[in-house]
Amino acid sequence: SQTIHQWPATLVQPVGSPLSLECTVEGTSNPNLYWYRQAAGRGLQLLFYSVGIGQISSEVPQNLSASRPQDRQFILSSKKLLLSDSGFYLCAWSVVLLFEQYFGPGTRLTVT
Amino acid sequence: AQKVTQAQTEISVVEKEDVTLDCVYETRDTTYYLFWYKQPPSGELVFLIRRNSFDEQNEISGRYSWNFQKSTSSFNFTITASQVVDSAVYFCALSGAGSSGGYQKVTFGTGTKLQVIP
Repeated sequence: SQTIHQWPATLVQPVGSPLSLECTVEGTSNPNLYWYRQAAGRGLQLLFYSVGIGQISSEVPQNLSASRPQDRQFILSSKKLLLSDSGFYLCAWSVVLLFEQYFGPGTRLTVT
Repeated sequence: AQKVTQAQTEISVVEKEDVTLDCVYETRDTTYYLFWYKQPPSGELVFLIRRNSFDEQNEISGRYSWNFQKSTSSFNFTITASQVVDSAVYFCALSGAGSSGGYQKVTFGTGTKLQVIP
C-alpha cells in the first residue's frame, strides 16, 4: 500500500531563516506530487505541483520554491522566511492529475 | 475559472442526528471531478469520495451518502446518525479538464466544520 511521509511535524523558525520541508511517497511510481498551505482560515492553497522529476509548476508567486530531485521525493524550500509563511503545510500525491489526492500528516510551521 | 462554495461555515448537531453538508460548484470544463475530504483535528486530510461529471448516481457508503445534481451544480454530503467521531472539517473540491485537455488544478471549498455533540 502507498504511504506518504512528511517531516518535520512541527517547526518554529525565525523570520529570515531558511526552510526545507520534505515529503516522500512509498509504494507507487511516478506519482503526481503537490504542496499545499492551509492558513488559519482553513482554506487550502495549492502552492506547487509536479508531474515528474524536475518538473515543477508554481501556482502562487511567493518566496517559496519546490524541487523534485527523485521520483518520490518533493521538497519545499525558502531562502528567507516571512511571518506570512506561517501555516500548515500539506504534501499530497495522486495517480492521475485529475483524480483524488492522498495527503500526508502535514507540517505546522510557525515563523516568529 | 473554477469555484467551490461551502456556505455552511460551522454546523453543530447532537449525536444520532442526520446532517447534510452543502457544496455548490462552478466550472466551464466539460469533464470534471468532484471530491469530499475529511480533516479531523489531527490535520491530515482523508479522501472520502470522487464523482465524475458523467455519473449522477447517488452514492452510499455506510452512514455516508452523496447527492450529485448537475442541474443545480451541487454535490451534497449527508451523514446519517452522526457520531462524535464525525466531528471534523469537511472539504468539497473540484478538478477539471478543459476542452483542450489541459489540467485544471483542484479547487477546494473553504470547508464546513462539523461538531457532533454527545
